[in-house]
Amino acid sequence: QSALTQPASVSGSPGQSITISCTGTSSDVGGYHYVSWYQHFPGKAPRLILYDVSDRPSGVSDRFSGSKSGNTASLTISGLQTEDEADYYCCSYTTSNTFYVFGTGTKVTVL
Amino acid sequence: QVQLVQSGAEVRKPGASVKVSCKASGYTFSGYYLYWVRQAPGQGLEWMGWLNPHNGGTNYAHKFQARVTMTRDTSISTAYMELNSLTSDDTAVYFCTRIGSIAAYDAWGQGTLVTVSS
Repeated sequence: QSALTQPASVSGSPGQSITISCTGTSSDVGGYHYVSWYQHFPGKAPRLILYDVSDRPSGVSDRFSGSKSGNTASLTISGLQTEDEADYYCCSYTTSNTFYVFGTGTKVTVL
Repeated sequence: QVQLVQSGAEVRKPGASVKVSCKASGYTFSGYYLYWVRQAPGQGLEWMGWLNPHNGGTNYAHKFQARVTMTRDTSISTAYMELNSLTSDDTAVYFCTRIGSIAAYDAWGQGTLVTVSS
């Protein structure tokens, strides 16, 4: 099972919006509504920020939003803040016996 | 609330084994699959495998299949991940996590740093 493809890095200035893509196949991203996103500060536990493509768990800022088109899901961070500087991973349900597959990860830098 | 609490940091020599524990609380342990994920320095999240606490069923990533064992003790709501034949490439933070009632990893352990060094 290959990892989902994300850009290695994305950057933006405070207040701007950035979008991170997550590309898979019809066996994962394109075939199911079960895409989730995680914010990860190295050495800490990842934090779930979106599930079912665009739903936010309680307590997650509405500056985080998600969408999906075909085999590509996207995470948008609006009103970028310095505290958003972290690694972000997408994850999708897959027909593989692993059940779920991660993306390659994207480092977000706030300029 | 749902919590996963892992055992502490470990240091091992090459060729040794390590066993990391993950104690669950706040939910029915046998009701949700537990996954093990690791992150090596400078690398992304790497899926290692899953454990079905209900029946002990497992599925391991091909890369680890020959040297990983995932088990559980339902009497104490604890899962274990044992990795054998360690090399320096196994130096990483190891996480346990669960897929909850939503199709996402909704709870994570705090991570266990395993350092392999001679």
